[in-house]
Formats: sequence, structure tokens, C-alpha cells
Amino acid sequence: AQTVTQSQPEMSVQEAETVTLSCTYDTSESDYYLFWYKQPPSRQMILVIRQEAYKQQNATENRFSVNFQKAAKSFSLKISDSQLGDAAMYFCAYRNENLQGGSEKLVFGKGTKLTVNP
Amino acid sequence: DSGVTQTPKHLITATGQRVTLRCSPRSGDLSVYWYQQSLDQGLQFLIQYYNGEERAKGNILERFSAQQFPDLHSELNLSSLELGDSALYFCASSVGLAGYDEQFFGPGTRLTVL
Repeated sequence: AQTVTQSQPEMSVQEAETVTLSCTYDTSESDYYLFWYKQPPSRQMILVIRQEAYKQQNATENRFSVNFQKAAKSFSLKISDSQLGDAAMYFCAYRNENLQGGSEKLVFGKGTKLTVNP
Repeated sequence: DSGVTQTPKHLITATGQRVTLRCSPRSGDLSVYWYQQSLDQGLQFLIQYYNGEERAKGNILERFSAQQFPDLHSELNLSSLELGDSALYFCASSVGLAGYDEQFFGPGTRLTVL
């Protein structure tokens, strides 16, 4: 079974600075997707960024970028120019590419609580 | 707003009771997922439906059941409730089954069992 590990329960960053959240995963599959979700105090789950395992190029979305190391099974999220609105729980998630059926469920890590200090 | 609606937002009930949580997916989405978020277990997949058919089960207790109706809305039924069932229950939907298809999450139903 696939597992996702986030080793940093809490992180903090100064406004306008850069922070990196870590994530490692375990899978025997070769085709899969990785995601970072943000959960602000409102509890809404919001997709931040996603990465296809077959792509070597790291995904970027504005101030958010990932460092995807497939061999190391590592998928870290970098937030640049941190803003107060970035304060939230961040969840790393894994999803299989099931071409022969099965579940497309998301497997989540335990989350990292990010605090942004003004 | 993700386009996924869940009702009710909050539910307070007693041990031993039964409740029904409702989810309406985004227009056009055929796949519905239920997840449970609790302090001790984190976010866990419960069950998935696709176009009315059960597709996969995760860590769903036998006391829990779900279904997806012809209009694609879904209901999660929780019975013989225990204190440990207190959690935030999310419904998510996606247009299809491709791994790339984004799962859009509803706002969740906060269940408190007293």
C-alpha cells in the first residue's frame, strides 16, 4: 500500500520569505500523481499544485513550486514570497494512475501546519 | 467555491444514533469520493462511487454505508455512532477516473458525537 510521510508537523516563515515543506512517499508503481493541498482555517481543501510522475520537469504555479525527486520518492513544496494568506495546513497526497480499474483515491500525509509571521 | 455541496455543515448527535450526510458533486462530475478527517487518523479515504456504482472501498467501517443515486448525488450513512466517529467528513468529486482529474472537495460536514 502506498504511504505518504510529512516529517514536519509545524513550520513557520516570515512574510515575504521562502519556505519549503517536505514530503516523502512510498510506492511500487511507476505511474502516479502527487499533489499538495492547502487547508486554511475554513477547513476547505484547496489544490495548490500537482505533478505527474512521468514528467521530469518540476511543476510551478505562481509562487508555488515543487522539487520532485522520483528516485528518492521525494516531493517538496516551495512557497516563495510568503503571504499571510498562505497560513494553513498543507497536505501532500498521492494518487495512482489506475488504467485497469481500482481506486483513484488520494492517500494523504498527516499535514504540516504553516504559520506566516508578519 | 468548489461547486461541491455538502449538507448539513454541522451535525451533533448522541452515541448509538444514525445520521445521513449528503453530497452533491459538481455538475458533470461522475466520480464521488468520501473522506474522513480526524485528529488521530488524519485524512482517510472511505469509499468511491462512479456513475452510480461502487468503485472502491477504503477504511470504511461496517457501520457505515453509502450510495450514489441516479442524479449522481451521494449519501453517507453512519449508524450506531460512537464517540470516535466524531470527525470532519469530506465529499469530493471529479469528472472521470483519470489520475490527472482534479478532485474538488466540498466544505465538509462536521460530525460531533456526544
